[in-house]
Amino acid sequence: TQLLEQSPQFLSIQEGENLTVYCNSSSVFSSLQWYRQEPGEGPVLLVTVVTGGEVKKLKRLTFQFGDARKDSSLHITAAQPGDTGLYLCAGSNAGGTSYGKLTFGQGTILTVHP
Amino acid sequence: GAGVSQSPSNKVTEKGKDVELRCDPISGHTALYWYRQSLGQGLEFLIYFQGNSAPDKSGLPSDRFSAERTGGSVSTLTIQRTQQEDSAVYLCASSALAGVADTQYFGPGTRLTVL
Repeated sequence: TQLLEQSPQFLSIQEGENLTVYCNSSSVFSSLQWYRQEPGEGPVLLVTVVTGGEVKKLKRLTFQFGDARKDSSLHITAAQPGDTGLYLCAGSNAGGTSYGKLTFGQGTILTVHP
Repeated sequence: GAGVSQSPSNKVTEKGKDVELRCDPISGHTALYWYRQSLGQGLEFLIYFQGNSAPDKSGLPSDRFSAERTGGSVSTLTIQRTQQEDSAVYLCASSALAGVADTQYFGPGTRLTVL
């Protein structure tokens, strides 16, 4: 069974601070996705990384996939109250009957105080 | 509709009753997934449908859980003889294909409470 360990579970910071969320596994994934979920809604995809060492930027968010494709990080620069939410990492693997099935981390609840 | 829809949005039931949860995927999407999100937990995979292939049921927690997808579109997740530990948000997602980089679009979920 593949597992994704996400940390920290909770993060409470002031507006303007930087933060990093980590997602680690002992297993290799074909791709790693990051989602953001608001209360009462389903997760919304932020980014997909598929190549070891890949770095993607989305405005103030920077996503990195580890060289060995076992870990990933999400870095937010100058956090804003609008960044508040639940952030989830999810891994996927090719092949077999579960192609595309996502294995999720436990999530990080981020609160950014004005 | 433009996105994945689920019904009902909330369901309160008594222990031992059966419930049915419905998912309408995005039109044309061949892959459909069910996940469960419990309080304080990440999403847990339940079942996956891809076209006419046999579904991957490996995530269903017990034989009280079953799901079907009719006509390659609408899906129903059925929980028989509900237990309190079944209380969770049940999320459905669909994607155009089932590749590792294909975006899964999630519905808003059905919040199930078993009393």
